Amino acid sequence: QVQLVQSGSELRKPGASVKVSCKASGYSFTNYGLNWVRQAPGQGLEYMGWINPNTGKPTYAQGFTGRFVFSLDTSVNTAYLQISSLKPGDTAVYYCARYCSGGNCYSGTFDYWGQGTLVTVSS
Amino acid sequence: QSVLTQSPSVSGAPGQRVTISCSGSSSNIGAGYDVHWYQQVPGTAPKLLIYGNKNRPSGVPDRFSASTSGTSASLAITGLRAEDEADYYCQSSDSSRSGWVFGGGTKLTVL
Repeated sequence: QVQLVQSGSELRKPGASVKVSCKASGYSFTNYGLNWVRQAPGQGLEYMGWINPNTGKPTYAQGFTGRFVFSLDTSVNTAYLQISSLKPGDTAVYYCARYCSGGNCYSGTFDYWGQGTLVTVSS
Repeated sequence: QSVLTQSPSVSGAPGQRVTISCSGSSSNIGAGYDVHWYQQVPGTAPKLLIYGNKNRPSGVPDRFSASTSGTSASLAITGLRAEDEADYYCQSSDSSRSGWVFGGGTKLTVL
């Protein structure tokens, strides 16, 4: 079955960096876009952008350029989110989510989600 | 501030019907982009609830229904149950953002 398994919680100091992983299984990794979504404590979902696993091209949403980097390792079916120069405002749960563009899935949706990774930024 | 506007909270007693609204604009819902809905039980990842404006994925009870009209969308839940208590988010594409956008979320409380 389709699964997205994310790495565990992280605690970092302001100014540091963090790398969150999202390992996919149960489907052809290069056939589906992989999105990142942020949820600050007590807040709603915020779309960060996505990466095309077929081409490796990342696309960043407004507000997520510069310090945020999406990357892939297709040899292990894993996507990564790296955040540099961390600020306390980056404290959030970060989700990866598969995008279904058509075929045998619910077209246009984020049909499978990782369990989330809590990143806490505190001195 | 979210591109799609949802009321922060809604409540209802078990068995009742509630609706959750999602207000957009001509660059998203009004442009004909599909609206999807997600349910998020606190402490868990969001789960797809409705896709393509009104369709239920396999396993979602028919107590959940949705529709769109103009620049808005709505989600209706009938026969409220305690397990429906969760946060609900609408999602669509937006041409001014070149990507997907979420509503701010609506917290459903079952009284």
